[in-house]
Amino acid sequence: DVKVTQSSRYLVKRTGEKVFLECVQDMDHENMFWYRQDPGLGLRLIYFSYDVKMKEKGDIPEGYSVSREKKERFSLILESASTNQTSMYLCASTPGRSSYNEQFFGPGTRLTVL
Amino acid sequence: DAKTTQPTSMDCAEGRAANLPCNHSTISGNEYVYWYRQIHSQGPQYIIHGLKNNETNEMASLIITEDRKSSTLILPHATLRDTAVYYCIVRSASNTGKLIFGQGTTLQVKP
Repeated sequence: DVKVTQSSRYLVKRTGEKVFLECVQDMDHENMFWYRQDPGLGLRLIYFSYDVKMKEKGDIPEGYSVSREKKERFSLILESASTNQTSMYLCASTPGRSSYNEQFFGPGTRLTVL
Repeated sequence: DAKTTQPTSMDCAEGRAANLPCNHSTISGNEYVYWYRQIHSQGPQYIIHGLKNNETNEMASLIITEDRKSSTLILPHATLRDTAVYYCIVRSASNTGKLIFGQGTTLQVKP
């Protein structure tokens, strides 16, 4: 089975801290995605990547950056965490370049910024 | 991508079939219908997808109307573990691969 893992299930940080969220998939998928999920707003795409060292902005990239140095790992970086970035963060991956393929999600990281 | 409309919540008795409707009246010819579900405190899980023919897999069946303006996800024998939020998503190959999740239907399976 495909496995997508995220570095932490729960994380508490302070305003202004730099935060790293790690995502690793073990099935050699080309495409990886970062979403955030908030009540009443559903899942919103932050960034995605189709290949190593490649990244593209999603719908809400402001305040975030990403890094994909290896195919299996996609990191989300909050350069200076703010309270409005308190959210559930979900990583996903999908094989190949076809956007018809289903996405496999990790368990999520619930981030609280104080 | 086309917008979808789903009921906010539904109940189903354990062991009975759960039929979850989705309206996507503005769907276009190259757009697929996807279903995902999210069990509390977990990431979303893919269930099934289809274009115009009915589809079945080990988890569920997807029935798409002939005009493709609506569909129904069927869980043939619902269990308590099927309690989750179910999302109906319509997307085309021309988008970035991102999924646009609406509010979904909260399915409560009761003993």
